[in-house]
Amino acid sequence: AQKITQTQPGMFVQEKEAVTLDCTYDTSDPSYGLFWYKQPSSGEMIFLIYQGSYDQQNATEGRYSLNFQKARKSANLVISASQLGDSAMYFCAMRGRHYNQGGKLIFGQGTELSVKP
Amino acid sequence: GAGVSQSPSNKVTEKGKDVELRCDPISGHTALYWYRQSLGQGLEFLIYFQGNSAPDKSGLPSDRFSAERTGGSVSTLTIQRTQQEDSAVYLCASSLASTGDQPQHFGDGTRLSIL
Repeated sequence: AQKITQTQPGMFVQEKEAVTLDCTYDTSDPSYGLFWYKQPSSGEMIFLIYQGSYDQQNATEGRYSLNFQKARKSANLVISASQLGDSAMYFCAMRGRHYNQGGKLIFGQGTELSVKP
Repeated sequence: GAGVSQSPSNKVTEKGKDVELRCDPISGHTALYWYRQSLGQGLEFLIYFQGNSAPDKSGLPSDRFSAERTGGSVSTLTIQRTQQEDSAVYLCASSLASTGDQPQHFGDGTRLSIL
């Protein structure tokens, strides 16, 4: 069975500093994808970044980067130069890449990030 | 519209009533998913559609829950004889494909409150 663990229920970061949100996962599938989503207080789920299990390089999208350590089964999200608008709940999610798995996402419990001015 | 649209945004109903939640996915997205988000359970998968068929219904919590998708587009999630534990935010997501690196794009959800 697949499982995602986010051990930081809440995090604080000073504006303009970088912050790392932790995510570890467990799966027996050789091929899988890892996603990070942001959920502001307004409720919408916003896709941030994706990392495939066979990708050679860590994914980056603007101020977001994913520190992927396959042997440790970790996929930490790094947000550089934090902004007040980054205050939100962040979810790590995983799905298998085989067609018969249907692509459903397994989510972690989330980390609530608060950016201080 | 450009994104996933869900209606109603809020629904308050009495215990025992039936409710119907609607999801209009992004045009051209063949995969559609329903999730439920509650304080105690986090985000839980409910059901997955590929086109009009539902190959994975494993997350539906009881036979009071059902869903359908018509025309490869709009989907409705129906909850019969609602119970207080059904109170949650119901999220719909769609994606171009169910595999690979295609992200799921979410709607704003329906907040369901059972009195």
